[in-house]
Amino acid sequence: KNEVEQSPQNLTAQEGEFITINCSYSVGISALHWLQQHPGGGIVSLFMLSSGKKKHGRLIATINIQEKHSSLHITASHPRDSAVYICAVGNYGGSQGNLIFGKGTKLSVKP
Amino acid sequence: KAGVTQTPRYLIKTRGQQVTLSCSPISGHRSVSWYQQTPGQGLQFLFEYFSETQRNKGNFPGRFSGRQFSNSRSEMNVSTLELGDSALYLCASSLRVDGSPLHFGNGTRLTVT
Repeated sequence: KNEVEQSPQNLTAQEGEFITINCSYSVGISALHWLQQHPGGGIVSLFMLSSGKKKHGRLIATINIQEKHSSLHITASHPRDSAVYICAVGNYGGSQGNLIFGKGTKLSVKP
Repeated sequence: KAGVTQTPRYLIKTRGQQVTLSCSPISGHRSVSWYQQTPGQGLQFLFEYFSETQRNKGNFPGRFSGRQFSNSRSEMNVSTLELGDSALYLCASSLRVDGSPLHFGNGTRLTVT
């Protein structure tokens, strides 16, 4: 069993829909990251969170430490949101770059 | 402020050769981490450097090595290339080794033939 599981693997939505991507993990963590990767490879860090909820524009990320679960929500989705979304967890111990990654969720938003 | 810069962007090498990839972090960032991304294994942590010291290393063979210079620029080297080393290699920089956001470069796509 992978230490970080994401669901769904693939997601197709119509423009304007509310989207949820889930991430469950089995290890102790210091922080959880949500990353966005567009075709071509570059990665953008969307959120880093260790508790509660964060919001940035149309994106919301939540984490429940007790249940070892996080969700990424996209409100009013747009075709430009089409990308792969990756969940990653880290346990610092003085090495925050040492992350365990999920396999990613490929999102396609149709106009 | 310039972002994380990785060079070269694309690279084609032959089995048995060696390769060096470069990563220039955001100015002021002292921590650099390296990752390998393949279709089969996804993203995997290679190593992390802070102030020229390797802080941690992932589960990769000794053919994979790296270093960090006094200006925080980092290089990673892969010797005796194998076909399976074909991947996108990404680096990320951060201000510190704990609790500061990661900033990723666009990666170097390595093809081994």
